[in-house]
Amino acid sequence: GQNIDQPTEMTATEGAIVQINCTYQTSGFNGLFWYQQHAGEAPTFLSYNVLDGLEEKGRFSSFLSRSKGYSYLLLKELQMKDSASYLCAVTLNTGGFKTIFGAGTRLFVKA
Amino acid sequence: EPEVTQTPSHQVTQMGQEVILRCVPISNHLYFYWYRQILGQKVEFLVSFYNNEISEKSEIFDDQFSVERPDGSNFTLKIRSTKLEDSAMYFCASQRESYNEQFFGPGTRLTVL
Repeated sequence: GQNIDQPTEMTATEGAIVQINCTYQTSGFNGLFWYQQHAGEAPTFLSYNVLDGLEEKGRFSSFLSRSKGYSYLLLKELQMKDSASYLCAVTLNTGGFKTIFGAGTRLFVKA
Repeated sequence: EPEVTQTPSHQVTQMGQEVILRCVPISNHLYFYWYRQILGQKVEFLVSFYNNEISEKSEIFDDQFSVERPDGSNFTLKIRSTKLEDSAMYFCASQRESYNEQFFGPGTRLTVL
């Protein structure tokens, strides 16, 4: 089956760095998304990794290792507004196009 | 900045009734998706649509569900006979190419009584 695992909750301090891990077991892997979702709102795009390595975008970076089925999202200089759920999602090409989401990691940023 | 829109924002219906959820994707996008998210749970893939036909669908997307792109702009999800367990937030998303960002609409909250 297709499976994505990420921690349920994390807590970090304002100004710090936090790493949110994601592991996946899927077939037909096409790429991996990270989304941010505030409560009651739609997911918003953070990053997309297709090839192995690190993608950096301002305070956010995402890493992918396809051979290990592993990704992480790194958030630097944490701000209170970063308190949200972070969703790891894998896009699959199994003849058609499909995206499956992990359950999300709820990040609490404290002062 | 172009965005995906969805109507209505909230729909309340009686069990057994039909509902149609509407989405207007970003105009030059080619790939379209419907997802649902039951309160407190993960985002679940329902269906993808490309080149005027269903590309992939999940086990959730049974005969009670259908999608259409009737006029080249709107993208609709129909639930023929709603059940209590269909209560969820339904998100539409669109994508320029299969390897690009998926842009999500704000969602329609469906409540089935």
